[in-house]
Amino acid sequence: AQTVTQSQPEMSVQEAETVTLSCTYDTSESDYYLFWYKQPPSRQMILVIRQEAYKQQNATENRFSVNFQKAAKSFSLKISDSQLGDAAMYFCAYKESGANSKLTFGKGITLSVRP
Amino acid sequence: NAGVTQTPKFRVLKTGQSMTLLCAQDMNHEYMYWYRQDPGMGLRLIHYSVGEGTTAKGEVPDGYNVSRLKKQNFLLGLESAAPSQTSVYFCASLLAGGSGANVLTFGAGSRLTVL
Repeated sequence: AQTVTQSQPEMSVQEAETVTLSCTYDTSESDYYLFWYKQPPSRQMILVIRQEAYKQQNATENRFSVNFQKAAKSFSLKISDSQLGDAAMYFCAYKESGANSKLTFGKGITLSVRP
Repeated sequence: NAGVTQTPKFRVLKTGQSMTLLCAQDMNHEYMYWYRQDPGMGLRLIHYSVGEGTTAKGEVPDGYNVSRLKKQNFLLGLESAAPSQTSVYFCASLLAGGSGANVLTFGAGSRLTVL
């Protein structure tokens, strides 16, 4: 079974600074998807960014970017110019590309932003 | 744009009682999922469905049953609630193909407490 590991339970960043959240995964597949989801105190799950494994170029969404290292099975999220609204729990997730595949989540990391 | 709607949002049960959580999506998504979220555990898949009339077990299916009689609805049932089922439950749906494929859309969550 696929596993997703987020080894840091908590991180803190100064407002306007940059922070990187780590994620590793285990799979024998070559084609899959990786995601970062954000869960603010409202509890709503919000998609931050998505990466397709067959694409070598790292995905970017405004201040959010990923460092996707396929050989190392690493998928880290970089948040630039951190804002107070970035404070939330962040989940890394993995999904195989097959029609019957499930999405597996890591345990999450709580990010706090210091003003 | 209703997206994914979960009802109820909050519920308190006594041990042994039964209840059903309803998930409804209006996006014509093929796949639907039920997750539970517990502190330090991330999101764990309970059951999922790849289409109307089909269901499958996830990571933690014991004590739960599901049904998908209509494409837009996915019901999660607890036949005899136990305190270990105290959790926040999330429903999600996913489009199998097309430009928005492979991205989970979540409901707002349902907090269930079993006394």
